[in-house]
Amino acid sequence: DVKVTQSSRYLVKRTGEKVFLECVQDMDHENMFWYRQDPGLGLRLIYFSYDVKMKEKGDIPEGYSVSREKKERFSLILESASTNQTSMYLCASTMTSGPGETQYFGPGTRLLVL
Amino acid sequence: AQSVAQPEDQVNVAEGNPLTVKCTYSVSGNPYLFWYVQYPNRGLQFLLKYITGDNLVKGSYGFEAEFNKSQTSFHLKKPSALVSDSALYFCAVRDYNTNAGKSTFGDGTTLTVKP
Repeated sequence: DVKVTQSSRYLVKRTGEKVFLECVQDMDHENMFWYRQDPGLGLRLIYFSYDVKMKEKGDIPEGYSVSREKKERFSLILESASTNQTSMYLCASTMTSGPGETQYFGPGTRLLVL
Repeated sequence: AQSVAQPEDQVNVAEGNPLTVKCTYSVSGNPYLFWYVQYPNRGLQFLLKYITGDNLVKGSYGFEAEFNKSQTSFHLKKPSALVSDSALYFCAVRDYNTNAGKSTFGDGTTLTVKP
């Protein structure tokens, strides 16, 4: 079974702090993704990566950056956290870039910015 | 452009009754369609997908979905609901020439199954 893990289930940070969210997958998947989930808005893509050191902006990249130095690890960085970044963050991966690929999701990190 | 709509925020059914969670989509080419389920405080889990072939797709936990091209729909169904099916359900779509990252998700439908 594919396993996608996220470094924290819950985080509380203060406005202006730099926040790191880490995601690790154990199945040698090429693609990795970061989404945020907000009630009534579904899942919105922040960034995704299709290879090491490669990244592409999703629908809502503003205020976020990402890093993928190793194939199995994809980090989401909030350079200066703001209260409107309070949300549930979900990481996902797929084996390849084919459109029929199933996405495998981590358990999520619930971030509260005070 | 691709889009997906889940017209119902909430679906309530009694245990043992059939359930339907609705999804409609819009793509410019051939669609790839997915259903995921999210239990409280968990990530999304894959249920089933339609890529090509039979319009009726069977998935995990007794769920199935019917692809209807003329109505651009992909409704999720189960003949007999269980209380444990209570969860948040997401429909997602990709166009055939879209990178796997470019899924569009619906807003989600909360299914509540009452004993």
